[in-house]
Amino acid sequence: QKEVEQNSGPLSVPEGAIASLNCTYSDRGSQSFFWYRQYSGKSPELIMSIYSNGDKEDGRFTAQLNKASQYVSLLIRDSQPSDSATYLCAVSRSNDYKLSFGAGTTVTVRA
Amino acid sequence: DADVTQTPRNRITKTGKRIMLECSQTKGHDRMYWYRQDPGLGLRLIYYSFDVKDINKGEISDGYSVSRQAQAKFSLSLESAIPNQTALYFCATSDLGLAGLDEQFFGPGTRLTVL
Repeated sequence: QKEVEQNSGPLSVPEGAIASLNCTYSDRGSQSFFWYRQYSGKSPELIMSIYSNGDKEDGRFTAQLNKASQYVSLLIRDSQPSDSATYLCAVSRSNDYKLSFGAGTTVTVRA
Repeated sequence: DADVTQTPRNRITKTGKRIMLECSQTKGHDRMYWYRQDPGLGLRLIYYSFDVKDINKGEISDGYSVSRQAQAKFSLSLESAIPNQTALYFCATSDLGLAGLDEQFFGPGTRLTVL
């Protein structure tokens, strides 16, 4: 079992719609959770971090964490063509703060 | 100026050559990391350093070595490059903030091709 698993994608959504990205993790002791956005050929860019159960909103992005279900999600509201990218879920282990990354989900927003 | 820089940005080399990738940061972070990224495999940790005197192997350290020359500099070496080390390499830095979140920030990457 992979430590961090994401929807394989690709995910295609129309402009203005909500894009929903899912991520599950295997280490029940994980403490911190991150979403990175990576444009093709570029480096990952941190867009959201969350460490408590519930929702965290930042602009058009909402991260949702459910530690009991070992599940973290990212919602992108009012999707724009500029949101077209690969989104990486990352999880920090409880004892050493190293990040484990999922393989990423590629999102395409259709104009 | 970029907070995290990597040199070179692109490199083509031959099997058996020694290669060094360099990373510098102006963020003042203590923690530095080297990752490689391959299509479909996500980012995998090669080595990490939590301070100048601390070096640790990641999940795929075989064939690589590192040097932490200063708080701001962390170099990755491929002692004898082989074709399956062809990948995109990223340096990252972090600092454990007040919230306890170890947010990592990435450099622009080095695209390495081993022929």
